[in-house]
Amino acid sequence: DIQMTQSPSSLSASVGDRVTITCQASQDISNYLNWYQQKPGKAPKLLIYDASNLETGVPSRFSGSGSGTDFTFTISSLQPEDIATYYCQQYDNLPRTFGPGTKVDIK
Amino acid sequence: QVQLQESGPGLVKPSGTLSLTCAVSGGSISSSNWWSWVRQPPGKGLEWIGEIYHSGSTNYNPSLKSRVTISVDKSKNQFSLKLSSVTAADTAVYYCARAFAVLGSWYDYWGQGTLVTVSS
Repeated sequence: DIQMTQSPSSLSASVGDRVTITCQASQDISNYLNWYQQKPGKAPKLLIYDASNLETGVPSRFSGSGSGTDFTFTISSLQPEDIATYYCQQYDNLPRTFGPGTKVDIK
Repeated sequence: QVQLQESGPGLVKPSGTLSLTCAVSGGSISSSNWWSWVRQPPGKGLEWIGEIYHSGSTNYNPSLKSRVTISVDKSKNQFSLKLSSVTAADTAVYYCARAFAVLGSWYDYWGQGTLVTVSS
């Protein structure tokens, strides 16, 4: 299985701050990497697909980059509604695997 | 707008079989998508269980493969999950999701999730 790691596991930031989360794959997954947002009690929501493509309807303050084994997810200006846990997910190989998540809250 | 809705018992006894159904509306289960199950133990991360194509082709997580069966019912536009020999470790919120396109890529539509507790 391809192992996905994320850092940090949690972070606190102020409204308006730039927030960056990293995701690392245990082997080269090209750009087959997606990012999801999950709020408490809700299903995950797709934000970014293929490492850097913004899903329709998702605010442009969210972005993603990277390829191979190292990926970055950025919120350019943190908003109160962005409080959630963020997961990366690879689909280069079966089984599909998710990162352990990064919990983001407001300082 | 595609919608997915999980249904099934919320409580299953240890050593029993967990059975869930995901009803698809607003789209056809015979479209060029894989249909998946993902679970999340309370307070933990997401685990991919497996997926099915409308042809009946399946892929399972090797960690669960011996206990999992995913099936599709095209006449009812739904797909199902069976997980046998359950233990407390199988207690989780179970989500069904649609994988975009034939490559089974990203999950663009999700059900709201259903909590299944394994307890006597």
